Amino acid sequence: QKEVEQNSGPLSVPEGAIASLNCTYSDRVSQSFFWYRQYSGKSPELIMSIYSNGDKEDGRFTAQLNKASQYVSLLIRDSQPSDSATYLCAVNTGRGKLIFGQGTELSVKP
Amino acid sequence: EAGVAQSPRYKIIEKRQSVAFWCNPISGHATLYWYQQILGQGPKLLIQFQNNGVVDDSQLPKDRFSAERLKGVDSTLKIQPAKLEDSAVYLCASSFAPGGEFFGPGTRLTVL
Repeated sequence: QKEVEQNSGPLSVPEGAIASLNCTYSDRVSQSFFWYRQYSGKSPELIMSIYSNGDKEDGRFTAQLNKASQYVSLLIRDSQPSDSATYLCAVNTGRGKLIFGQGTELSVKP
Repeated sequence: EAGVAQSPRYKIIEKRQSVAFWCNPISGHATLYWYQQILGQGPKLLIQFQNNGVVDDSQLPKDRFSAERLKGVDSTLKIQPAKLEDSAVYLCASSFAPGGEFFGPGTRLTVL
């Protein structure tokens, strides 16, 4: 079992729709969770962090964390073509090490 | 605030040659990371420094890869000798504390 797993996609949504990206992790002692956006040919950029169960909203982005289910998600409301990118889930394990998933490619169609 | 600087941006070498990458982190960031990102995969941590000490190098292929961070600021990553499977983007990142890293632009390495 991979430490951090994401649906590889690609996930295609129409402009204005809600995009839902999912991530599961295996280490129960993981403490903090991050979502990065990576445009093609560019380096990852941090867009959201979440540390406690529940929802965290920042503009059009909402991160959701359920530690009991070992599940993290990212919702993007009113998706725009500029949101088209690969989204990486990253988990900071109890050992202070950041483990990345393989990424989910999102395509927002005008 | 200046970002993480890396050089070179691109490098093409033949297998069995050696190569070195340089990284200068964001000023004041004590933690520095080197990641390897193979096309279609997420970044994989190679080595993590806290100031000039190594925190984690469990996934660094130590028979061919080496890294140092003298004086706790900039860092170099070296591969000697390179293999075809080393073709990847090498990302340097820094942070105040683990998690929430800021990434540099990366060095794209092609091994022929």
